[in-house]
Amino acid sequence: ELKVEQNPLFLSMQEGKNYTIYCNYSTTSDRLYWYRQDPGKSLESLFVLLSNGAVKQEGRLMASLDTKARLSTLHITAAVHDLSATYFCAVEEGFKTIFGAGTRLFVKA
Amino acid sequence: DAGITQSPRHKVTETGTPVTLRCHQTENHRYMYWYRQDPGHGLRLIHYSYGVKDTDKGEVSDGYSVSRSKTEDFLLTLESATSSQTSVYFCAISERTGGGEKLFFGSGTQLSVL
Repeated sequence: ELKVEQNPLFLSMQEGKNYTIYCNYSTTSDRLYWYRQDPGKSLESLFVLLSNGAVKQEGRLMASLDTKARLSTLHITAAVHDLSATYFCAVEEGFKTIFGAGTRLFVKA
Repeated sequence: DAGITQSPRHKVTETGTPVTLRCHQTENHRYMYWYRQDPGHGLRLIHYSYGVKDTDKGEVSDGYSVSRSKTEDFLLTLESATSSQTSVYFCAISERTGGGEKLFFGSGTQLSVL
């Protein structure tokens, strides 16, 4: 059974600081996704990572995938308040996409 | 935005009553999913569909059934609602033409079972 674990589950950080969210998973999948959810809203896709070594960047967020270590990271550079949200990683296995528990990020001004 | 509509948006019901949630899409996507979201658990897959009349169980399918008689509609039924099924339910769709296709989510249904 596929397991997806994120850490930390909660992150409070100062504006301007850097931090990394980690996503570990238990199978050999090479299809990993990152989503963002604002409070009371639905989920929106951030990144799609489809192979070992894949790296995607948008603005202050950069995601990478290491399929051998079964690990993906979401790196935040010089955080700003607008990045406050919950971030989910998700792994695809067959027809199913399984989500981690989410990392609730709060960026303090 | 992907054309996904969930109904109702909010529902309050009593323990033991049947409840049906509807997901309607206008994208003609083949794959549809029902997730529930609870604090500390992220999103958990309930059931999914890979075509009309083709459905399968997810991680937490007990107490739920689904039906898909048309490409555009995916129904989730709580056969006899319990308080543990109080949650936010999200429908998602995916085309999956070449693999690695992201999910598009509906706005969610807040269900309270009293």
